[in-house]
Amino acid sequence: DTGVSQNPRHKITKRGQNVTFRCDPISEHNRLYWYRQTLGQGPEFLTYFQNEAQLEKSRLLSDRFSAERPKGSFSTLEIQRTEQGDSAMYLCASSAGDRADEKLFFGSGTQLSVL
Amino acid sequence: EDQVTQSPEALRLQEGESSSLNCSYTVSGLRGLFWYRQDPGKGPEFLFTLYSAGEEKEKERLKATLTKKESFLHITAPKPEDSATYLCAVQAWGNKLVFGAGTILRVKS
Repeated sequence: DTGVSQNPRHKITKRGQNVTFRCDPISEHNRLYWYRQTLGQGPEFLTYFQNEAQLEKSRLLSDRFSAERPKGSFSTLEIQRTEQGDSAMYLCASSAGDRADEKLFFGSGTQLSVL
Repeated sequence: EDQVTQSPEALRLQEGESSSLNCSYTVSGLRGLFWYRQDPGKGPEFLFTLYSAGEEKEKERLKATLTKKESFLHITAPKPEDSATYLCAVQAWGNKLVFGAGTILRVKS
């Protein structure tokens, strides 16, 4: 069990560019989540996958954001036409089992800075 | 709308000085209340889940309690290594956690 892995750890981009982040969950965890955290705030839910199916998306998630989890393994989060307001820590988490109230295991996040 | 409010925003303690952190919540149908610890530059790390009012859980110097409106995280005789941000979150219906803004704890030796 190597934990949840996220890459890259840091990303600096210019406004208007596209960025993609990767998350490798704990092996055999069927539930995968993306959260966003800004300084001084708690994590904010973005989207949830059960295996390869994206079952829930935040209403706050604009159409510039897209996430995938092909084959129910790793996941990617893409942000198109980045804006300065997208600057944040993007956290991935995974959990096992059938219950939504299982504890989450978080990765160390990808820190995005949009200049 | 589900909401979580944590207080205080920041807390400074001397080593050995016990205290409590508060988490007030409003949620339609609580399925679980979670406490996480977050160190700088890292993701949150799970501490406890509480499911019903009156429930208590302990781990080392930490004890979490739950009522119908709030949860407390009691820290007994804290050490400098307990310094971190402590996050409270609620799980209602659906698959998302709603987090509070956290309490930043600093323990000085």
